[in-house]
Amino acid sequence: DSGVTQTPKHLITATGQRVTLRCSPRSGDLSVYWYQQSLDQGLQFLIQYYNGEERAKGNILERFSAQQFPDLHSELNLSSLELGDSALYFCASSVSTGGQVADTQYFGPGTRLTVL
Amino acid sequence: AQTVTQSQPEMSVQEAETVTLSCTYDTSESDYYLFWYKQPPSRQMILVIRQEAYKQQNATENRFSVNFQKAAKSFSLKISDSQLGDAAMYFCAYRSAAWGNDMRFGAGTRLTVKP
Repeated sequence: DSGVTQTPKHLITATGQRVTLRCSPRSGDLSVYWYQQSLDQGLQFLIQYYNGEERAKGNILERFSAQQFPDLHSELNLSSLELGDSALYFCASSVSTGGQVADTQYFGPGTRLTVL
Repeated sequence: AQTVTQSQPEMSVQEAETVTLSCTYDTSESDYYLFWYKQPPSRQMILVIRQEAYKQQNATENRFSVNFQKAAKSFSLKISDSQLGDAAMYFCAYRSAAWGNDMRFGAGTRLTVKP
């Protein structure tokens, strides 16, 4: 158990809908990262938040957005869903303090999104 | 842009034997970090080992060790005394030491362990 929690574990929805994925980082971690893993593929970085502020952005679609709240949990919002958005979405967290830019990221169990 | 290449889509090893998974990366940076993550059938991403580019000494974690060749931009993972529980997808990952940079993953190598 990495200490990172994600809800829900599974999500099935229809095209055109909007969903919200939730992530709670490990206690003390300030950074949250979101990744997308399509079937049998590697992980694609979407976005990073550090202490409530956006820190880095990857290949995140305009239909997707995220935020990190004062209690450091994060939400990833996916809207106007398409079949191709079906994937496993991971959240990871790291401490990111004291200049440790590349401190280790610990991953949650993921949310499996199926768009029908 | 940094890229990570894992040229072995699949590998197989006999239980108790040793196997090496390959990873190469492309970067113009001198300060960065490299990781190996394991993804078993449960799909959980588990950190196996981490290497700082400024360290010449290869990282080791129990049965797992790396061969880090900075000049060649190579970062291979050696698994000794392979166990059935080592069967998983293994991902190599690169992250720049600079702020605002994401972690780049390779496409993965699926490791099968034969009893």
